[in-house]
Amino acid sequence: GAVVSQHPSRVICKSGTSVKIECRSLDFQATTMFWYRQFPKKSLMLMATSNEGSKATYEQGVEKDKFLINHASLTLSTLTVTSAHPEDSSFYICSAREVAGDEQFFGPGTRLTVL
Amino acid sequence: AQTVTQSQPEMSVQEAETVTLSCTYDTSESNYYLFWYKQPPSRQMILVIRQEAYKQQNATENRFSVNFQKAAKSFSLKISDSQLGDTAMYFCALNAGGTSYGKLTFGQGTILTVHP
Repeated sequence: GAVVSQHPSRVICKSGTSVKIECRSLDFQATTMFWYRQFPKKSLMLMATSNEGSKATYEQGVEKDKFLINHASLTLSTLTVTSAHPEDSSFYICSAREVAGDEQFFGPGTRLTVL
Repeated sequence: AQTVTQSQPEMSVQEAETVTLSCTYDTSESNYYLFWYKQPPSRQMILVIRQEAYKQQNATENRFSVNFQKAAKSFSLKISDSQLGDTAMYFCALNAGGTSYGKLTFGQGTILTVHP
């Protein structure tokens, strides 16, 4: 149990376009989902916390207009990178937390390459 | 604010031997959770072991065990009988209570290589 999926696993896009990444909890309800960014051989950097039915809480320094997060249901959160630029190229990971749970379950990640 | 520090960027060990990865943390919360995650080349984050701060007994999961020293704010991971499949990046993480409840603060990571 406790499986989290992400789609797509890899995406290549042109500079200036927008890209949407989906994060789904497959076998549990997740009131809270988290979005991380990771550079090669570096740690995970929390970008934002998304709660079902409410606005996401962004970490300091993360542009909320660039990284749009929507958590429309208890099993789905989306991250949209708007007007992507090469510096947005990175590995994006989501995680989900069960209701009243203290453990996060991680998705397999999405590799974004902006040309 | 919570901090997690892993002071060993890279470690290596021979197959079947034992290795210990270090982690120190800081939090003002009295109730918190500590985790070790493994990230193999596939980059899927895998939970290795967890420890609740209120439990004095050190957690163990098969070949993996922790040395939790609450007063020293230290949380090291011992891997016994190392296997080639243990090669990965290992992250120590803290889930503290209070207003940060639910968020994970990660250490910088330790790249572990197991040699045959």
